[in-house]
Amino acid sequence: DIQMTQSPSTLSASVGDRVSITCRASQSISSWLAWYQKKPGKAPKLLIYKASSLESGVPSRFSGSGSGTEFTLTISSLQPDDFATYYCQQYNSSPGTFGQGTKVEIK
Amino acid sequence: EVQLVESGGGLVQPGGSLRLSCAASGFTFSDYWMNWLRQAPGKGLEWVANIKEDGSDKYYLNSVKGRFTISRDNAKNSLYLQMNSLRAEDTAVYYCARTASEYCSTASCCHSVWGKGTTVTVSS
Repeated sequence: DIQMTQSPSTLSASVGDRVSITCRASQSISSWLAWYQKKPGKAPKLLIYKASSLESGVPSRFSGSGSGTEFTLTISSLQPDDFATYYCQQYNSSPGTFGQGTKVEIK
Repeated sequence: EVQLVESGGGLVQPGGSLRLSCAASGFTFSDYWMNWLRQAPGKGLEWVANIKEDGSDKYYLNSVKGRFTISRDNAKNSLYLQMNSLRAEDTAVYYCARTASEYCSTASCCHSVWGKGTTVTVSS
């Protein structure tokens, strides 16, 4: 199975900050990468698919980039609602596998 | 509103069984592949199983093959996961999730709609 590694594990930031999360795949996954937001007790929310395609209804402050083995999720101006845990997922091969998560905390 | 609601979780002893259900609403259930995923305490998300729109194809995570069975009832807009021979390592929050073709490569998919999950604890 393809291993997905996210960094950092935890990120402390303030409202208005630009933040970036990195996801690395153990082998090339082309652009078959998704990003999700997860809050406690809530359903995971798809933010980005195919590395850079913004899911319908997701604010434009979220963006994704990368291809091959290295990917980035960027939040251009962090909002109070964005404090959550973010996961990447590769779906280049089966089974689709997830990173271990990055928790974005209030600084 | 598109919605998935899981139920059926609980505390079960090792070796026991449990049946999870997922009620779908707000979309044509029979048009979509459906999935079960899970998240163990302190761990990342993990895909468990999926099932084709008409139930004719099913796929499983290797570690649950032979123990878990995914099924669906399109007339009831419901997805199920029968879990037998449960182990401590099956302890997790279990989510059902919807897959659409635009979110898939030739081999796998990401998931655009998820439920809030139901908790399964396997312990004596």
